[in-house]
Amino acid sequence: KAGVTQTPRYLIKTRGQQVTLSCSPISGHRSVSWYQQTPGQGLQFLFEYFSETQRNKGNFPGRFSGRQFSNSRSEMNVSTLELGDSALYLCASKASPIGELFFGEGSRLTVL
Amino acid sequence: AQSVAQPEDQVNVAEGNPLTVKCTYSVSGNPYLFWYVQYPNRGLQFLLKYITGDNLVKGSYGFEAEFNKSQTSFHLKKPSALVSDSALYFCAVRDNTGTASKLTFGTGTRLQVTL
Repeated sequence: KAGVTQTPRYLIKTRGQQVTLSCSPISGHRSVSWYQQTPGQGLQFLFEYFSETQRNKGNFPGRFSGRQFSNSRSEMNVSTLELGDSALYLCASKASPIGELFFGEGSRLTVL
Repeated sequence: AQSVAQPEDQVNVAEGNPLTVKCTYSVSGNPYLFWYVQYPNRGLQFLLKYITGDNLVKGSYGFEAEFNKSQTSFHLKKPSALVSDSALYFCAVRDNTGTASKLTFGTGTRLQVTL
């Protein structure tokens, strides 16, 4: 069974641009979560989607948004990029409400 | 609010020796506890979880963890460390209320296993 797939793996943007990251969950998983990982703040929860509905949102500004499609694939968007948005963005999916999260390899965003 | 503390930034162990990576948590209600490992430039890999039942949980690659409710701890252990175990280890917690799956992670502990 294929794991969680994230694209692109690496990308470089400049301040003020926007970026869209994509995540394909494990087949059959309907819950997708996103996390931001930085050296200074560690792993921080961004949002969770289930059946195309956002169920939970972390403490991030409105520039960070996401969505989930009917096939459970998810995208997150960051608009008006700032230097501090440079991070590894991790997507994870799970099979059941109390199941463990399975993470993708992440998308490493560098903002110049 | 839920929180996790990993008091050690780094743990150094000689290969073949037992290892322990510490984790304490705070959560309202009963906790769901997890350990993940991260290798350089990779995502997080699931090691083991505690949901309910036996306090000693066995996981992948010979790792185990002991849930201690009175001490609110969930320390990761392995009887005999390998050099290949060197990585960054994260403890995580969520409460068992509702269906949202927000995990709160600790700051991570870097495990260095030397020959």
